[in-house]
Parts: sequence; C-alpha cells; structure tokens
Amino acid sequence: GAVVSQHPSRVICKSGTSVKIECRSLDFQATTMFWYRQFPKQSLMLMATSNEGSKATYEQGVEKDKFLINHASLTLSTLTVTSAHPEDSSFYICSAIPVLVRTNYGYTFGSGTRLTVV
Amino acid sequence: DQQVKQNSPSLSVQEGRISILNCDYTNSMFDYFLWYKKYPAEGPTFLISISSIKDKNEDGRFTVFLNKSAKHLSLHIVPSQPGDSAVYFCAASRGGGTSYGKLTFGQGTILTVHP
Repeated sequence: GAVVSQHPSRVICKSGTSVKIECRSLDFQATTMFWYRQFPKQSLMLMATSNEGSKATYEQGVEKDKFLINHASLTLSTLTVTSAHPEDSSFYICSAIPVLVRTNYGYTFGSGTRLTVV
Repeated sequence: DQQVKQNSPSLSVQEGRISILNCDYTNSMFDYFLWYKKYPAEGPTFLISISSIKDKNEDGRFTVFLNKSAKHLSLHIVPSQPGDSAVYFCAASRGGGTSYGKLTFGQGTILTVHP
C-alpha cells in the first residue's frame, strides 16, 4: 500500500510555456502533499506544502506565482511551472501523508518528473 | 544553513561486509529521522526510520542508530549486497504542527557495493 503516482515522468518544454505535473495517492487519501526539487548531484529541497482545500504554503525563496499548486481532492495535487525558463530544469518529486497515519511511516514519494526547459 | 549533513559523498564496500552511512544534524527540534535509497531519475524509496525516543531500530539487514546527544545517526547495512548500490539520503522531520511531514534532507552518500 501507500503508492504515490507522479505524471509525467519526463517532459521537455519550450522556454516561456507552462508545464503541469500531477501527483496522485493511489490507495490512500492525503490531506497534505509536499513538492520537492532536486538539482543534479544535490539534495532534495522542499518547495511547498500542498493542503487539500486550502492554499499551499511555500518555503522561503520559492516563487508562489511561478510554481502554482492546486490540491483539489484528497488524492490529487498538481504543480504548474509557469513561464518556464531553463533554470527551472530540475527533477521534481512529490510526497504524500495519509489521512490515517501509522507510526514509523516513511512518507511515500512519487517517482519524480524530469523537467527540461529548452 | 545545512541542518542535515552527510559528510561522506561516497562509500565503497565489499559484498558481504558492513556498510555504515553517517548523518549529522544541527536542529534539536528534529524528532523523527528517516533513511531513503534513491536511484537517478527516480523518487526516493523509504528504508527505515527512527523516532527520537529510541536509539535503535532494526529491519532485516538495515539498522539505524540514533545518538541524540551527539545529534548523529547512522545506517548499518549487514551484509551488504551489490543491489544496495545507490544514493542514500538521510532525512529529518520536526514532527507536529505546521512542520508535520516536512523533510529536510542531507546531501546524500553514494554507496557502491563491489561483488
């Protein structure tokens, strides 16, 4: 159980366009999902917290108008990179926290999305 | 400010031997620690975790040790297998409130297990 699906796995877009990435919890409901970004050979950095039915909260230095997050249901959060530029090229990963939390839970991650902006 | 640090970028061990991966943290508010295994272009896979109320947690070949006074944790893999070769990330969480579920990651350690 506790499967998180992320789509697409890879996307190439032109500079100036927008890209939407989906994060779905397949077998559980998640009131909270998280979006991380990983640049090559670097650590995973938390970008924002996606809350079902309310506004996302963003970490310091992350532009909320550039990275739009929508968490419309208990199983789906979307991250839209607006007006993408080459420096937005990165690996984006989501994680989800189930409504019913077990102890020793490992915070399941999606498989990630490789975004390349050309 | 790197609150979670993995000071060894890489580790190479022989198959069958023990792999020890280390992690240090600076934020005393962290109370839940996790280890993840990751391959390039894939999401992290959860391995094992430990709460700050414990000093050891074991799951099969994986054991995590926590030394709160030293703000240090380690992951032991015994015996190491070639399939364990990957990047290992240490992560920490602050537990409740608005920080619940947010993870702070270390830089990762590349583990290579030689046959």
